[in-house]
Amino acid sequence: DGGITQSPKYLFRKEGQNVTLSCEQNLNHDAMYWYRQDPGQGLRLIYYSQIVNDFQKGDIAEGYSVSREKKESFPLTVTSAQKNPTAFYLCASSGRLESGTDTQYFGPGTRLTVL
Amino acid sequence: AQSVSQHNHHVILSEAASLELGCNYSYGGTVNLFWYVQYPGQHLQLLLKYFSGDPLVKGIKGFEAEFIKSKFSFNLRKPSVQWSDTAEYFCAGYNTDKLIFGTGTRLQVFP
Repeated sequence: DGGITQSPKYLFRKEGQNVTLSCEQNLNHDAMYWYRQDPGQGLRLIYYSQIVNDFQKGDIAEGYSVSREKKESFPLTVTSAQKNPTAFYLCASSGRLESGTDTQYFGPGTRLTVL
Repeated sequence: AQSVSQHNHHVILSEAASLELGCNYSYGGTVNLFWYVQYPGQHLQLLLKYFSGDPLVKGIKGFEAEFIKSKFSFNLRKPSVQWSDTAEYFCAGYNTDKLIFGTGTRLQVFP
């Protein structure tokens, strides 16, 4: 059963704590992405990775970190430096076309609440 | 700056009404455009996409979109909506290797 899995579905953390969100894909996609979704703001790109051991900052990378040690995994760490971390986090992956990047497919998301 | 705009933030319709959701983009070069849908409690799903060729694109569940280059638009349409179309709809487009999303349109369909 191919797809993208994210865990956990709901996550609670206390202020000042770092937390890591998991994203795994078995679609054999090269590229993976992390987005943050807030009401009325659409999806904003946090980090993305086009290939293993390489990643780039998106539009709102401050307070977040990532790693890409394996093709199928792209974990996101929300650090204590992130001022407003409560949000819905979406992971996506895509293949590559000769003409550019292919369609992105999304995981079910993790809802993070900071108490 | 490159952007994707959705001007309808909240649309309320009765079943069987026709739907058109606006999407405009502001970047040049190769245009790859998408409409995604997020049903309540579910993850983002692809409705349809335009990469090249026929500017009228048909997607799942009876949706279609038309790419009009002269108007920088990619509006989503459905001739007759159903209660099950209640969802949030996102337009998106690629800028090199990054996908830029609009702010979304929340559609409510009443029986």
